[in-house]
Amino acid sequence: EVQLVESGGGLIQPGRSLRLSCTTSGFTFGDYAMGWVRQTPGKGLEWVGLIRSKPNGGTTEYAASVKGRFTISRDDSKSIAYLQMNGLKTEDTAVYYCVRPHSSGWPWGQGTLVTVSS
Amino acid sequence: DVVMTQSPLSLPVTLGQPASISCRSSQSLVHSDGNTYLSWFQQRPGQSPRRLIYRVSNRDSGVPDRFSGSGSGTDFTLQISRVEAEDVGVFYCMQSTHWPRTFGQGTKVEI
Repeated sequence: EVQLVESGGGLIQPGRSLRLSCTTSGFTFGDYAMGWVRQTPGKGLEWVGLIRSKPNGGTTEYAASVKGRFTISRDDSKSIAYLQMNGLKTEDTAVYYCVRPHSSGWPWGQGTLVTVSS
Repeated sequence: DVVMTQSPLSLPVTLGQPASISCRSSQSLVHSDGNTYLSWFQQRPGQSPRRLIYRVSNRDSGVPDRFSGSGSGTDFTLQISRVEAEDVGVFYCMQSTHWPRTFGQGTKVEI
């Protein structure tokens, strides 16, 4: 069974940094791109970014709202994807979901809440 | 960015009756590879979203066949042939033809 488990969320002050982790199991992690999607409280879904698999270059794509502040990385040896968030703003407050976007399926994690507030 | 516009934003439904949600994109979603990357997601209350439909009309594994997707270019539709109680929640369309990926605002389906 494919599983994605996010961790690392919490309350953080504006301007600070936070790193989220997505620990996965049930599939060959290195074969897949991994992504992050966020959902602001009571609102809709926003694409954050994606990292391609290393065979596909391992390159990244980001939403304009986070580009230059957020960085997605991966550790294929541990089957973990990361979202490094720097210079956090109050508008980054959201539930952050890890996803594995693919035509064969698009599993989501349970999400981790990040609250940016002073 | 490609803007995805859903309608209606709220959809009262009757059990056993059909329902339909529209999704329009500000640009064509036909990729240079010839495919159209339009997906539909359902988010039940208190749960993570799950994908129902990919590439306009392909149902994901385990998705009941009462869900169907159609459309082309910039105009797409999700149809539920007979609404069941478990279908309540918010439905989102999403395009993955262009970067960045973008979602519609969501359509809340309630009985």
